[in-house]
Amino acid sequence: AQRVTQPEKLLSVFKGAPVELKCNYSYSGSPELFWYVQYSRQRLQLLLRHISRESIKGFTADLNKGETSFHLKKPFAQEEDSAMYYCALAYNFNKFYFGSGTKLNVKP
Amino acid sequence: DVKVTQSSRYLVKRTGEKVFLECVQDMDHENMFWYRQDPGLGLRLIYFSYDVKMKEKGDIPEGYSVSREKKERFSLILESASTNQTSMYLCASSYPGSKNIQYFGAGTRLSVL
Repeated sequence: AQRVTQPEKLLSVFKGAPVELKCNYSYSGSPELFWYVQYSRQRLQLLLRHISRESIKGFTADLNKGETSFHLKKPFAQEEDSAMYYCALAYNFNKFYFGSGTKLNVKP
Repeated sequence: DVKVTQSSRYLVKRTGEKVFLECVQDMDHENMFWYRQDPGLGLRLIYFSYDVKMKEKGDIPEGYSVSREKKERFSLILESASTNQTSMYLCASSYPGSKNIQYFGAGTRLSVL
């Protein structure tokens, strides 16, 4: 069965510090992975996809098939990065499985 | 810009009531989804629809049903609401294919008393 694990419920860092939000997945097929973000009082929105290989708002994520991981990284956290982050796996072409989420708190 | 609209932001219902949550999208997306979002559990898929009148159960379909009579509208139905269905409900839509990006509504916070 497909699964997505985000081991940290809460991650607190100081402004300017590096941040890494962990995501591990379990899937027998070829994975398609995403990071979604939900800022306070806003709707859930796509942050980035592994297929795009792009950097959004300074965040990057690399798919590591050997370690079955898709960790989200940013070298210098900003206060406006404080939000709830969800890792998601697309399977059977159309369906999604979301992790339990990590709340990132960036302190001034 | 894709718009996914959920008819209510907040709902308060009583145990045993029949509850309808409505979702409308304006981008002609084939796929529509209903999730519930609970702290510590993340998003869990309730039902998924890939076309008009077509539906598939997600991970937690018990106590819920859905209706998709028109492409743009996907309704979640709680036949007999119970207190353990108090939650935030999120609707999403996506276009199948290489983009495979989900667009979410603002959510409906349902309280069942």
